[in-house]
Amino acid sequence: DIQMTQSPSAVSASVGDRVTITCRASQGISNSVAWFQQKPGKVPQRLIYASSSLQSGVPSRFSGSGSGTEFVLTISSLQPGDSATYFCLQHNTFPLTFGGGTKVEIK
Amino acid sequence: QVQLVQSGAEARKPGASVKVSCKVSGDSFREISWHWVRQTAAKGLEWMGGFDPTDGLITYAQKFRGRVILTEDSSTDTVSMELTSLRNEDTAAYYCMIGMGRTWGQGTLVTVSS
Repeated sequence: DIQMTQSPSAVSASVGDRVTITCRASQGISNSVAWFQQKPGKVPQRLIYASSSLQSGVPSRFSGSGSGTEFVLTISSLQPGDSATYFCLQHNTFPLTFGGGTKVEIK
Repeated sequence: QVQLVQSGAEARKPGASVKVSCKVSGDSFREISWHWVRQTAAKGLEWMGGFDPTDGLITYAQKFRGRVILTEDSSTDTVSMELTSLRNEDTAAYYCMIGMGRTWGQGTLVTVSS
């Protein structure tokens, strides 16, 4: 199985800060990564697909990059409504596997 | 716009089975990938299995093989997940999702307790 190691597990940042979250795959997975945001009690919402493509309706402050084994989600200017847990998903190979999640808190 | 509507919360005793359904509207589920995922605080998100339209096969995660059955019913546009031999640690929110996370069902809480 492909392991997705996500870091950090939590981050506390101020409004306007740049936040980066990384997922490292245990083997190369091309660009088969999606990023999700999940707020407490809510359904995950896809932000990014194919590593760097922005899901329709998602603010442009969210961006994704990477290929192979390292993938990054960047929030360019953190907003109050961005407080949530973010996680990655690799879909290159079955079984699909998720990162462990990053809890983003607003200071 | 594809929508996924799941069946309601369930409570079961250990050893029992549970079946959760997911009605797909707005697309043909035979032409898209669909999957079942569960979420717990302890283990996070776990993929249980799913359908790949490129080969028409359903694949199961090793962890759940033999205990989970994924089915589809084209007459009702519904996909279902049945989990057998339930254990306390199967208590979780169960989600259907399509298109590698493009759309998720609203989730179904399954509680296993004696």
